Amino acid sequence: EVQLVESGGGLVKPGGSLRLSCAASGFTFSSYSMNWVRQAPGKGLEWVSSISSSSSYIYYADSVKGRFTISRDNAKNSLYLQMNSLRAEDTAVYYCASAYDSSGNDYWGQGTLVTVSS
Amino acid sequence: SSELTQVPAVSVALGQTVEITCQGDILDNYYASWYQQKPGQAPLLVIYETRNRPSGIPDRFTGSSSGNTASLTITGARADDEADYYCHSRDSSAKQVFGGGTKVTVL
Repeated sequence: EVQLVESGGGLVKPGGSLRLSCAASGFTFSSYSMNWVRQAPGKGLEWVSSISSSSSYIYYADSVKGRFTISRDNAKNSLYLQMNSLRAEDTAVYYCASAYDSSGNDYWGQGTLVTVSS
Repeated sequence: SSELTQVPAVSVALGQTVEITCQGDILDNYYASWYQQKPGQAPLLVIYETRNRPSGIPDRFTGSSSGNTASLTITGARADDEADYYCHSRDSSAKQVFGGGTKVTVL
């Protein structure tokens, strides 16, 4: 069974930091590019960052560039998002998601809530 | 511009057909994907590379494209098709973008 399980969310004050983790199982994690996608309460989906299978290519949305860092450890089947200088507008459910493969298979976690508030 | 524009909401009678559109300059050059999201759930890919369906997605979901507009058509809408639908693509710098989403109500 394919699983992506996010952890590390919670309540943090503006200017604070959090590190999200995503543990993958049931598929060949090291073969997939991975993404973080977020969704603010009652709002739409927003792509945050992506990383290629070997970490050679990394991209960020303008809204998080310079504050967030994506990384992965293929040996541990894990994806990470280091979030610094957090702002109220970063409040959202953060999803870990794979890119889709040639057959249209993609995998999503259930999300972890990050709340930035004083 | 890397924006994708969707109509916020549409409604469709049970068993009828509805088309959801997504407009953006990047669609002239890059594929569109479509995600279905129901309340409290993670998004589900229903169309990738503009017109392909992942296994398990019913054939009542079809994707198409013309110029800078991609479309998702639901033929014979069912009650459980009621959801938010998001288009998705990428730009020339490999940044990804989602449309604002379309809420589909099945009457």
